[in-house]
Amino acid sequence: GAVVSQHPSRVICKSGTSVKIECRSLDFQATTMFWYRQFPKQSLMLMATSNEGSKATYEQGVEKDKFLINHASLTLSTLTVTSAHPEDSSFYICSARFFEKLFFGSGTQLSVL
Amino acid sequence: KQEVTQIPAALSVPEGENLVLNCSFTDSAIYNLQWFRQDPGKGLTSLLLIQSSQREQTSGRLNASLDKSSGRSTSYIAASQPGDSATYLCAVRRRAGGGADGLTFGKGTHLIIQP
Repeated sequence: GAVVSQHPSRVICKSGTSVKIECRSLDFQATTMFWYRQFPKQSLMLMATSNEGSKATYEQGVEKDKFLINHASLTLSTLTVTSAHPEDSSFYICSARFFEKLFFGSGTQLSVL
Repeated sequence: KQEVTQIPAALSVPEGENLVLNCSFTDSAIYNLQWFRQDPGKGLTSLLLIQSSQREQTSGRLNASLDKSSGRSTSYIAASQPGDSATYLCAVRRRAGGGADGLTFGKGTHLIIQP
C-alpha cells in the first residue's frame, strides 16, 4: 500500500524558533498533500492543502505567513512553523491522496517551550 | 460548515464483544466517508472508505454502513480483540471539484478492549 513518511516524529524547541516538518510519499506521486493539526482531545483540523508547483490553500483562520508550506516535488511537502510559540504546540500530521483514499504520515508532536 | 460527531467518545468492553461506533455529519453533500484507526502518538490507518453512492463496506471484522440522507455512518466491529484498542476516527470528504477536498474529522471514539 501507499506509504507516507513524516519526520521528525517529535520536536521540542524554544519559543521564537522555526521548525520544519517534512512529509514524503515513498512509493507514489502526490500532487496534493494535506496538513492537519490536532490539539489534545480535539479532532484533526485541516490547516492547508499543499499543491505541487503552486501556492498552498489555507483554511480559514490559519495564518499563511506563520505556517509556510512548500510542495516543491511530487513526493515532498514541507511545513515550517515560523517563530513558534507555546500555543503552536500540537500534533501535526500530513496526508496524501492515493486514488480515493488518504494515507497519513505518523505525525509530529511539536512542543514549544 | 460541516461538523462530524462521534458517539460514544470512549468505550471499554471485554474481549469478544461486538461493538457499534456511531458517526454523524451535518452536511449530507459528501463525496465519501472514511473510517480510520489512530494509535497513540502515531499516524492514521485507513480502515474503510465508503463512496457517497454506496451503502456499506466490509473489511475483515469491520463493517460500516452509510446513510447519506440522514447524515449517519455506523461501524460494527465483530468479536473484538485487545489489538483493536485504539481511537477510531470518522471523516467525510467534501464534494469533489469544489476547491480543497480535505477531510473533516470527528473527535473519535477511544476504544479499549479488555483481555
